[in-house]
Amino acid sequence: NAGVTQTPKFQVLKTGQSMTLQCAQDMNHEYMSWYRQDPGMGLRLIHYSVGAGITDQGEVPNGYNVSRSTTEDFPLRLLSAAPSQTSVYFCASSFLSSGTHNSPLHFGNGTRLTVT
Amino acid sequence: KNEVEQSPQNLTAQEGEFITINCSYSVGISALHWLQQHPGGGIVSLFMLSSGKKKHGRLIATINIQEKHSSLHITASHPRDSAVYICAVRSGGSNYKLTFGKGTLLTVNP
Repeated sequence: NAGVTQTPKFQVLKTGQSMTLQCAQDMNHEYMSWYRQDPGMGLRLIHYSVGAGITDQGEVPNGYNVSRSTTEDFPLRLLSAAPSQTSVYFCASSFLSSGTHNSPLHFGNGTRLTVT
Repeated sequence: KNEVEQSPQNLTAQEGEFITINCSYSVGISALHWLQQHPGGGIVSLFMLSSGKKKHGRLIATINIQEKHSSLHITASHPRDSAVYICAVRSGGSNYKLTFGKGTLLTVNP
């Protein structure tokens, strides 16, 4: 049982390049989400999904795309990287408990992205 | 948008001390999470609570819904407890979005 797997761990991009951050979970979680963590700021939600085929925007979605074709995978795409996207990115997943939609979050180990 | 404030921002303690970290939020919630992040490390969920109190080992989390306030306590603190502790809240209704505090950096000296 691997939990939440994020790849790569580190990435350096040049401005304008594109890339995909991968996130996979093997716990059959309905809810998956992407966050960015910047110094002096709390984690901020980029996009989230409550099931295959369903995605929605979070607090800071601009410059990022997501898709959820399977329950297990939730990739985050940067179409044209900008220096402002330099950050640490975390993927997290959980069950959607009936009624309260509350369940512990399971985080990946993070991806440290630098855009030059 | 729910505003989440944590205090203190930084906390230094001696091994064995009792630690309290506070979290206040502005809007009614359906759940509150306490998370732990070690330096350079990943994020681990410690507690999820919507009322009352939960205990796991030396860690205790409480929440007061009326006062919109939660506390995380660490008894008999140890250097391995040194980490950033993060509070996150999920607003009520069918809102799946979490709002995070900026975290409290705890350093426990031997």
